[in-house]
Amino acid sequence: QVQLEESGGGVVQPGKSLRLSCTTSGFTFGDYAMHWVRQAPGKGLEWVAVISYEGRNKYFADSVKGRFTLSRDNFNDTLYLQMNNLRLEDTAVYYCGRGTHESTGYDTYQRGDYWGQGTLVIVSS
Amino acid sequence: DIQMTQSPSSLSGSVGDRLTITCRASHDISNYLNWYQQKPGKAPKLLIYDAYNLETGVSSRFTGSGSGSGTDYTLTIDSLQPEDVATYYCQQYENLPSFGPGTTVDLK
Repeated sequence: QVQLEESGGGVVQPGKSLRLSCTTSGFTFGDYAMHWVRQAPGKGLEWVAVISYEGRNKYFADSVKGRFTLSRDNFNDTLYLQMNNLRLEDTAVYYCGRGTHESTGYDTYQRGDYWGQGTLVIVSS
Repeated sequence: DIQMTQSPSSLSGSVGDRLTITCRASHDISNYLNWYQQKPGKAPKLLIYDAYNLETGVSSRFTGSGSGSGTDYTLTIDSLQPEDVATYYCQQYENLPSFGPGTTVDLK
């Protein structure tokens, strides 16, 4: 069955960096776009970023553009979110999700059908 | 940016009721709309994609529709069940994806 598991969360000071990982199994990782969404404590969902199946296209929410980067290792079925210059408002549970099959460009925006259980990032001084 | 609103923000129903949640986009999103369900402490679950299509394995009690305006969409829950207690989010992907603020559904 399709499984996704986020890791790498923790407590970090403002301005510092953190890298989240999303390990996957149960599907051909390299064939799918992948998303990150986040949820601040007690708040709604916020879409963060998406990467195309081959890693060529990456799109980010305005709130993280220029600070967060995305990469993927299609040999080890793992997605990464590098978060730099973290701010207090980045405090949230971060979820990775499977996007659509072999989607590139703006097609990557489409649905996420499987999601991990999330990893908590706390930005605090 | 496309802004999404949802109404109502919360909704209560009895078991067996039909509930309707409305989502409105600030611009025509041409049915590029998903609906997700999220239970407390859990990951979001895809219910409906492309405004109308039921995700595999999701109960047929959930129906997505649109008004034809390109901006107004509806999620209907038929015969409300206790397991439907959750927060429901619409999400557009006509442009950079964005979620609505959510509608919390509980039982009377």
